[in-house]
Amino acid sequence: SAVISQKPSRDICQRGTSLTIQCQVDSQVTMMFWYRQQPGQSLTLIATANQGSEATYESGFVIDKFPISRPNLTFSTLTVSNMSPEDSSIYLCSASIRGRDTEAFFGQGTRLTVV
Amino acid sequence: QKEVEQNSGPLSVPEGAIASLNCTYSDRGSQSFFWYRQYSGKSPELIMSIYSNGDKEDGRFTAQLNKASQYVSLLIRDSQPSDSATYLCAVSGGSYIPTFGRGTSLIVHP
Repeated sequence: SAVISQKPSRDICQRGTSLTIQCQVDSQVTMMFWYRQQPGQSLTLIATANQGSEATYESGFVIDKFPISRPNLTFSTLTVSNMSPEDSSIYLCSASIRGRDTEAFFGQGTRLTVV
Repeated sequence: QKEVEQNSGPLSVPEGAIASLNCTYSDRGSQSFFWYRQYSGKSPELIMSIYSNGDKEDGRFTAQLNKASQYVSLLIRDSQPSDSATYLCAVSGGSYIPTFGRGTSLIVHP
């Protein structure tokens, strides 16, 4: 499997501010994803992070609100912009690795609370 | 819209029993099927992958796939209190992007 390091692990932020979450993978990565998980809910895909180009966003998620970068194969960031309490959630970085392309592994998640 | 359906539970079983978790999916083109375990406050951990019809066993875990019925299951033999967690079913197709169910909460009581 892969070791996926995600930080910060948690944060409490003021509404109207932005938070950038970082994700680093220790293996040869094929795909990277960002998910959101609200309490008691399943994982909702925000976007697929594409190396060196704009991320592919799912319905209901837009680049202005969730800008994503992936400057190289193994690193990505997700920014939650102009936060509101509704953005309080767990944000998860996920990646698949070469040789195990169909399987997705997860970082430890970022628990975000917006006050 | 691809959908993955699971009973949210909780499923309560006594220690030592077999826990049976079920999942159905809507996309007939799905090719890869996964079970993840998620402890409270933790991220999902991949425990089983299955790609062809039939059973796949790994220790106390057995995944079962029936593509004709669009049905995936996970059996946990000799259930332990440490197996208490939420189990997420995930399905992917040619894009390799998994779609997750809402998860089934499993409680194993001593």
